[in-house]
Amino acid sequence: AQKITQTQPGMFVQEKEAVTLDCTYDTSDPSYGLFWYKQPSSGEMIFLIYQGSYDQQNATEGRYSLNFQKARKSANLVISASQLGDSAMYFCAMRPPGSTGNQFYFGTGTSLTVIP
Amino acid sequence: KAGVTQTPRYLIKTRGQQVTLSCSPISGHRSVSWYQQTPGQGLQFLFEYFSETQRNKGNFPGRFSGRQFSNSRSEMNVSTLELGDSALYLCASSPFTGPRRNEQFFGPGTRLTVL
Repeated sequence: AQKITQTQPGMFVQEKEAVTLDCTYDTSDPSYGLFWYKQPSSGEMIFLIYQGSYDQQNATEGRYSLNFQKARKSANLVISASQLGDSAMYFCAMRPPGSTGNQFYFGTGTSLTVIP
Repeated sequence: KAGVTQTPRYLIKTRGQQVTLSCSPISGHRSVSWYQQTPGQGLQFLFEYFSETQRNKGNFPGRFSGRQFSNSRSEMNVSTLELGDSALYLCASSPFTGPRRNEQFFGPGTRLTVL
């Protein structure tokens, strides 16, 4: 079974600083998709960024970038210039190899707190 | 475009009862997925519906079921509720085509408490 591991239960970052949230995954299939979601205290999951396993370049979306190291099976999220509104839970997720559906496997999440 | 809506937002039931949760996807989205989120188990996939057919199913007992209507609205049902069913139930829809086909758009969730 596919497995997503987020080893940082909680992280703190100073406002305006950059922070990296770790994510490793386990799959033997060459084709898969990796995602990051943000979940504020309100509960709603917000899509941040997507990386396909065959994508040659690391994905970027505004202040979010994904440091994709395929050989290490890691997909770390980098948030630049942190803002107070970035305080939330962050989840790494994977769509199973070969899946045409939306059956996602999620990590346990990292709680990020931005300090003013 | 309106986002994914879920009703009700909060629900309190007692053990043994059954419950039905509703999800209205973003207009034009045909894929609807359901997830259960608990502090102990995290986010777990329940099932996915596409064009009224269940396409994927997670590892949950048969007490959990769902369906999708022709307008893509989806319902999930939990029968014979147990205390462990207390959770945030999230629904997500996906366009499956176009530039945002890899995204799932989540609703605000229904928080179910079983007493």
